[in-house]
Amino acid sequence: AQKITQTQPGMFVQEKEAVTLDCTYDTSDPSYGLFWYKQPSSGEMIFLIYQGSYDQQNATEGRYSLNFQKARKSANLVISASQLGDSAMYFCAMRDHNAGNMLTFGGGTRLMVKP
Amino acid sequence: GAVVSQHPSWVICKSGTSVKIECRSLDFQATTMFWYRQFPKQSLMLMATSNEGSKATYEQGVEKDKFLINHASLTLSTLTVTSAHPEDSSFYICSAPRLGAGNEQFFGPGTRLTVL
Repeated sequence: AQKITQTQPGMFVQEKEAVTLDCTYDTSDPSYGLFWYKQPSSGEMIFLIYQGSYDQQNATEGRYSLNFQKARKSANLVISASQLGDSAMYFCAMRDHNAGNMLTFGGGTRLMVKP
Repeated sequence: GAVVSQHPSWVICKSGTSVKIECRSLDFQATTMFWYRQFPKQSLMLMATSNEGSKATYEQGVEKDKFLINHASLTLSTLTVTSAHPEDSSFYICSAPRLGAGNEQFFGPGTRLTVL
């Protein structure tokens, strides 16, 4: 069974500073994918970044980077140069390649960027 | 990028009525779609996997007779909440993976259901 844990229910960050959102996972399958999504108050799920279990390098997408530590089973999201528009819920999710394309989500972290 | 739409975006209904929510993949075919439910300040919980041409697969604890899923075509899945009650009020989101799109799964904008 898969499990995704986000231990930070809420976080504050000062505008223009970097912030790290934690995510740990548990799976017995060697092939899996890890995702981060942003959900603003409108409710839409916005894809941010993806990391495959066999990827050698940490994923990066603009201001988003994923600190993938496979041995520790962690996939933390780093947002650099925070902007006010980054305030939202952030969800870590995992896809088990043996379970089709189903995603299992963590509990989420609410990020609030202070001006 | 690929777009998934949902209709309606919000609905208010009386207790005991049925509500149908549509999920469409607009520019790609999806043999599989997923339906999630999200209560306020909580995460997304998978309800069921909608399979084109076959029965949906429901997660444990989800009543298949209450949440009817029909994957009518390669671009349309519908979720019908039958005999809705106030405890069914929630945010319902569908998603669809697109083959060949790398590893992204495309989400609809969600439907907010309020049952009075």
